Amino acid sequence: GDSVTQMEGPVTLSEEAFLTINCTYTATGYPSLFWYVQYPGEGLQLLLKATKADDKGSNKGFEATYRKETTSFHLEKGSVQVSDSAVYFCALKNGWGGTSYGKLTFGQGTILTVHP
Amino acid sequence: GAGVSQSPSNKVTEKGKDVELRCDPISGHTALYWYRQSLGQGLEFLIYFQGNSAPDKSGLPSDRFSAERTGGSVSTLTIQRTQQEDSAVYLCASSSASGSSYEQYFGPGTRLTVT
Repeated sequence: GDSVTQMEGPVTLSEEAFLTINCTYTATGYPSLFWYVQYPGEGLQLLLKATKADDKGSNKGFEATYRKETTSFHLEKGSVQVSDSAVYFCALKNGWGGTSYGKLTFGQGTILTVHP
Repeated sequence: GAGVSQSPSNKVTEKGKDVELRCDPISGHTALYWYRQSLGQGLEFLIYFQGNSAPDKSGLPSDRFSAERTGGSVSTLTIQRTQQEDSAVYLCASSSASGSSYEQYFGPGTRLTVT
């Protein structure tokens, strides 16, 4: 079945540092890929997405590129802020028929803490 | 507009009791999903409804779990004879369709504690 493997956390950075959170996936068909973020005390929010190979999703300074050849969707940000402290989840959604259709499959989540 | 809402926000119940969790999706969204977030298991899919089609129940962990969606809108997740391992945050999400590129919008969740 489909699966997502996400970089283990927690990750602790100083403000303005560069961030990378690795994400790789296994899926049949042609999934769409997502990064969701969960800020302290809040619900899951979509951060960015990419629906086909070589697409780049971007939002709030975060970027991730859908790499089919390496089955990866790594999250990057050039300069993190304290307000980026949250839990980040990589996820995929398959768009073809079968048991995976429709549902999101999540990675384990990475806790990011940014210090001033 | 209004987002996905869930009630109650917190529920504490004794082992062996039944509980019902409610989800109100975004108006007009045809797809509705239930997930569970727990420390040991991360975020797991439970069940999803798409329009009038039969629901995909493949993620329900046992026959103590069931869900229904009335009138294509509100959904209720029922857990019978609760066990301590059912303690988790139960998340509901909805989307305008179930295709791979459609975003799922999540509710705030119901935190269930089984004592």
